[in-house]
Amino acid sequence: DGGITQSPKYLFRKEGQNVTLSCEQNLNHDAMYWYRQDPGQGLRLIYYSQIVNDFQKGDIAEGYSVSREKKESFPLTVTSAQKNPTAFYLCASRRTSPSGELFFGEGSRLTVL
Amino acid sequence: KNEVEQSPQNLTAQEGEFITINCSYSVGISALHWLQQHPGGGIVSLFMLSSGKKKHGRLIATINIQEKHSSLHITASHPRDSAVYICAVRSGGGATNKLIFGTGTLLAVQP
Repeated sequence: DGGITQSPKYLFRKEGQNVTLSCEQNLNHDAMYWYRQDPGQGLRLIYYSQIVNDFQKGDIAEGYSVSREKKESFPLTVTSAQKNPTAFYLCASRRTSPSGELFFGEGSRLTVL
Repeated sequence: KNEVEQSPQNLTAQEGEFITINCSYSVGISALHWLQQHPGGGIVSLFMLSSGKKKHGRLIATINIQEKHSSLHITASHPRDSAVYICAVRSGGGATNKLIFGTGTLLAVQP
């Protein structure tokens, strides 16, 4: 079945450590997105990529980095520069067409100890 | 004020009741999404609409572009409908297609 796979589902990190969240899709979608979800707030865009080897900052990119070396993969690195990294992270993808439906992964919950 | 407002924030219903969740937005949009977030966190897209009305099973979504308002209706609600329902609007065109999310409506359907 086609879909988006995020891993790990739960991750604990010590302050000062970088951590990478994986996002893989087999939907042949061009566009991929990373969102952050905090209690009481709507999802906020961290980074997005419309095509391989290209990505753009979203609204809250500081302290995060991404790469898009393959169409299927869009990993997110939460660096030590991110001041408040504890959150729920969601990856999504869609076709870049006006009717492109959005597909989400199951999310990764990062806790900084 | 948020660009996308949902109401109510929390909703408790008895099994079988008709449920309505509302979404109002203040920006120009090309499309509106209704999403369902399960207790485990995964999100499923329910509807994407730019005009009129769509129906899927017991779910109905409507949008009024002039009034900048959309509603999600659930008929004959069931405990398995318990989830967070999120409204998101697609604002702007071209490559960015920015999505703006509401904060969600937490629905609990009691047996």
